[in-house]
Amino acid sequence: GENVEQHPSTLSVQEGDSAVIKCTYSDSASNYFPWYKQELGKGPQLIIDIRSNVGEKKDQRIAVTLNKTAKHFSLHITETQPEDSAVYFCAASYFTGTASKLTFGTGTRLQVTL
Amino acid sequence: DTEVTQTPKHLVMGMTNKKSLKCEQHMGHRAMYWYKQKAKKPPELMFVYSYEKLSINESVPSRFSPECPNSSLLNLHLHALQPEDSALYLCASSPTGNIDEQYFGPGTRLTVT
Repeated sequence: GENVEQHPSTLSVQEGDSAVIKCTYSDSASNYFPWYKQELGKGPQLIIDIRSNVGEKKDQRIAVTLNKTAKHFSLHITETQPEDSAVYFCAASYFTGTASKLTFGTGTRLQVTL
Repeated sequence: DTEVTQTPKHLVMGMTNKKSLKCEQHMGHRAMYWYKQKAKKPPELMFVYSYEKLSINESVPSRFSPECPNSSLLNLHLHALQPEDSALYLCASSPTGNIDEQYFGPGTRLTVT
């Protein structure tokens, strides 16, 4: 089955700096890569996603890149703000024939300090 | 409206109890999911319903029994649980179940005593 590795496990940045989180996946059948933000006591919130036919996608301060050959994908957050502090999960998804299956990375705890 | 609702928010049950978790979405999505999340860990897939049929069961113990009465509702029936089953149970939905965005509910925090 799919295995998703995520680094770093914790990340502390100063407000206004950039943050980068990296993931690798193992199954070349995976073709959809969402990123989720989870705040304490809440469910994961989809913040951005990328499909395998796209190399980069941007939404305001957030961008994702995908290198299919290397099976790497990354999340970039620019001009970080205290409200960006949360746990971020990458994920990889493939279709089994009857349903899509999402496998999550281990998570990165991002802390944005003033 | 991209909202998935879950009830109850918190549940404490004994090992001999029977209880149910409920999930609802009104986005017209045709795929619904149950995940289990332990503290400081990522969500782990338990079940997938696609067009109201069970499509994936990730070898979940039979003390967890899912049910999809209609396309908007998903239940998880619990009986004879163990303390190690204590976790956050998350429900999610997606438009078709075919490589599309999954939207999560807030979860039910379950404690088994």
